[in-house]
Amino acid sequence: NAGVTQTPKFRILKIGQSMTLQCTQDMNHNYMYWYRQDPGMGLKLIYYSVGAGITDKGEVPNGYNVSRSTTEDFPLRLELAAPSQTSVYFCASRGLAGYNEQFFGPGTRLTVL
Amino acid sequence: TQLLEQSPQFLSIQEGENLTVYCNSSSVFSSLQWYRQEPGEGPVLLVTVVTGGEVKKLKRLTFQFGDARKDSSLHITAAQPGDTGLYLCAGAVTSYGKLTFGQGTILTVHP
Repeated sequence: NAGVTQTPKFRILKIGQSMTLQCTQDMNHNYMYWYRQDPGMGLKLIYYSVGAGITDKGEVPNGYNVSRSTTEDFPLRLELAAPSQTSVYFCASRGLAGYNEQFFGPGTRLTVL
Repeated sequence: TQLLEQSPQFLSIQEGENLTVYCNSSSVFSSLQWYRQEPGEGPVLLVTVVTGGEVKKLKRLTFQFGDARKDSSLHITAAQPGDTGLYLCAGAVTSYGKLTFGQGTILTVHP
């Protein structure tokens, strides 16, 4: 199993551009999450999904959109990129069993100039 | 919004020393986890604690969940350079997996 994979690894955007961060998991997990990590700030939840077709906002959803058409994929869309969206983005997933243990992807480092 | 306060934010020690990282909140958590993150990678789960007063050991790492399930600690005995990394605590108030993360502790262990 590859676990959680994310693409791209790095990206530089200009202000106002759009892009999609890809996330795929091969563990058949129902729950998927998008976080952003800023220096000294831990991880902040952007959006999450409890299953295909179901998404909900997290703590910092403004400027982002998500969709969940399949169990495996959970893309994060940035519209009209702003410098405040410069961050490292992590996708995570978890199954139904256990106590909220999440498996993280390797992250996407995004810079908006 | 539940807050998790982690301390210290930075820790720089010599190989062989002991250390403790604290994670505190005013909220009660149904479970609390500790993750370790290396540069350029995602967090990796170390342990989950779910019962008040619970103590778990993972080789030289000892994790404790407070009796009231509002706080936790991570103790490392005889730290090694390989322990260097960012340590994150994360708590879940409910069972459907929304985690609140602390701001992290950056640990550097010098040879």
